[in-house]
Amino acid sequence: NAGVTQTPKFQVLKTGQSMTLQCAQDMNHNSMYWYRQDPGMGLRLIYYSASEGTTDKGEVPNGYNVSRLNKREFSLRLESAAPSQTSVYFCASSPTSGKNIQYFGAGTRLSVL
Amino acid sequence: TQLLEQSPQFLSIQEGENLTVYCNSSSVFSSLQWYRQEPGEGPVLLVTVVTGGEVKKLKRLTFQFGDARKDSSLHITAAQPGDTGLYLCAGVSWGKFQFGAGTQVVVTP
Repeated sequence: NAGVTQTPKFQVLKTGQSMTLQCAQDMNHNSMYWYRQDPGMGLRLIYYSASEGTTDKGEVPNGYNVSRLNKREFSLRLESAAPSQTSVYFCASSPTSGKNIQYFGAGTRLSVL
Repeated sequence: TQLLEQSPQFLSIQEGENLTVYCNSSSVFSSLQWYRQEPGEGPVLLVTVVTGGEVKKLKRLTFQFGDARKDSSLHITAAQPGDTGLYLCAGVSWGKFQFGAGTQVVVTP
């Protein structure tokens, strides 16, 4: 059982480049989340999807877009990467929004030069 | 704005010692969770506390939820090197998770 799978694990971008972070879960969970983790800041919610077909902004959505492609997949896109977006990005899923535990992927470490 | 404050930020102890980490907020949460994160991995849930005043034990770990559901503590008895990691608390409110910045715990043999 793979749980939550994130790709890629590492990425280096130049300022202005775009990329999409992929996330897939095989637990038939309804809710999915994207967080960024920075030193001293903890995990901050970027976007979340309470169910297939819906997405909502979190605490720090600027500079990002998301797509809930189907129940399994939730992608995060950086249209024009900036150095401030250097971070570790985590995808998580939950059976229902906020009522159950979150299962996290192993993260994507992104550097924007 | 960090709604959940964790203290201390860093804790280094010897094997066999006890430790307590704290998670405080001015907000009330419907539940509070504790996660442990190891290098290169995502956080893994340890426990969820729901009722004010609730105490839960997980082997050598004791978790307490404050009476007003605004704060929580994690106490580890006789710490072992395997307890090393980043401990995160997360408050759940209105369907969203709010994480603290974490306490980095290092247990040396």
